[in-house]
Amino acid sequence: AQSVTQLGSHVSVSEGALVLLRCNYSSSVPPYLFWYVQYPNQGLQLLLKYTTGATLVKGINGFEAEFKKSETSFHLTKPSAHMSDAAEYFCAVSSTGGGNKLTFGTGTQLKVEL
Amino acid sequence: EPEVTQTPSHQVTQMGQEVILRCVPISNHLYFYWYRQILGQKVEFLVSFYNNEISEKSEIFDDQFSVERPDGSNFTLKIRSTKLEDSAMYFCASTGTLGEQYFGPGTRLTVT
Repeated sequence: AQSVTQLGSHVSVSEGALVLLRCNYSSSVPPYLFWYVQYPNQGLQLLLKYTTGATLVKGINGFEAEFKKSETSFHLTKPSAHMSDAAEYFCAVSSTGGGNKLTFGTGTQLKVEL
Repeated sequence: EPEVTQTPSHQVTQMGQEVILRCVPISNHLYFYWYRQILGQKVEFLVSFYNNEISEKSEIFDDQFSVERPDGSNFTLKIRSTKLEDSAMYFCASTGTLGEQYFGPGTRLTVT
């Protein structure tokens, strides 16, 4: 079985500050890891993914995440927050290969303040 | 850029009625999924579909749910007799072979 824990259901940062959203996973097999963003009343948009290879992955909108197997973590970061980053962020895990379901975390609501 | 589409965007139905939610996955994708998100909660997996059959389903996906790919483009989720607790946002997703799932905008189902 797989699971995802997102620490902090709400995170607030100032515009221009570092964004750090935490994600820890549990998986008995090598995982694929994903971050999705959901803007109000919209669907889920893929930010970035880790499958194999380089453990630091870059995504859209300046976000990146680092897969740390020893810490079972996949934290999402962005050096400088923008007002438009305000949204809910979901970390998800699946088994390797195509066709496997995603197991989501409970989400982190990011608020960006002036 | 290809995208997953879903119709309707919002469906209101009375308890006990049947509803069909429709999705058009990305055309060359092979795997199809339904997820749901109850208001304020996390996204939950319902069912995956591959090669015209269910490949995996969750405990939520009981006998009142069914999925179908009636033609080469549509993928549907049917709820036979809706309950109040079925009120949620339902997301369709599809993927090719790399495990990267693309989600549709969702259908908000309200059961009254």
